[in-house]
Amino acid sequence: DGGITQSPKYLFRKEGQNVTLSCEQNLNHDAMYWYRQDPGQGLRLIYYSQIVNDFQKGDIAEGYSVSREKKESFPLTVTSAQKNPTAFYLCASSIDGPLSGSLDTQYFGPGTRLTVL
Amino acid sequence: EDKVVQSPLSLVVHEGDTVTLNCSYEVTNFRSLLWYKQEKKAPTFLFMLTSSGIEKKSGRLSSILDKKELFSILNITATQTGDSAIYLCAGMYSGGGADGLTFGKGTHLIIQP
Repeated sequence: DGGITQSPKYLFRKEGQNVTLSCEQNLNHDAMYWYRQDPGQGLRLIYYSQIVNDFQKGDIAEGYSVSREKKESFPLTVTSAQKNPTAFYLCASSIDGPLSGSLDTQYFGPGTRLTVL
Repeated sequence: EDKVVQSPLSLVVHEGDTVTLNCSYEVTNFRSLLWYKQEKKAPTFLFMLTSSGIEKKSGRLSSILDKKELFSILNITATQTGDSAIYLCAGMYSGGGADGLTFGKGTHLIIQP
């Protein structure tokens, strides 16, 4: 079945630790995105990638890092520099990215809930 | 079977028309329903609905949740070409191993001048 998978579903981190959230898609989509959602709020864009080996900062990139070495994978690292990392993290993908000129639906993964202890 | 179902999947109307977008959802572990407008980059948050029968309104957009019939509608009056977008509905679920947002497939709305 085609889709987007995220792992783990729940993640607990001690303060000062880096953690990496996994996002994989087998939809052959070029673009991938990372969002965070805080309680009672909408999604906020952290990073996005239009194509392999390229990625751009979103609205709240500070304290996060990403890589896009393969089309299928877009892992997000939450570093110790992120002051308030406890949140729900969603990964998404679309056929083309924001600069393509076309309007494509973003398909979302199931999310990872990160809690800092 | 999909937890969150939106209809129609696409809609083309003329500027000035009123549109109603639909979203039905499964009730098990349901907490709230969210609407987003997606143009280019990140979806833009529109509304979060938790209580039945209470309309949320922002300018020409309004939305209401019906917890008895398990659906929500998003209304846009006096549509403008800038309203052209994909409108996403998402259910927030919690508990029972189903924790998080589940998105519908979206309604692709095109407003013709």
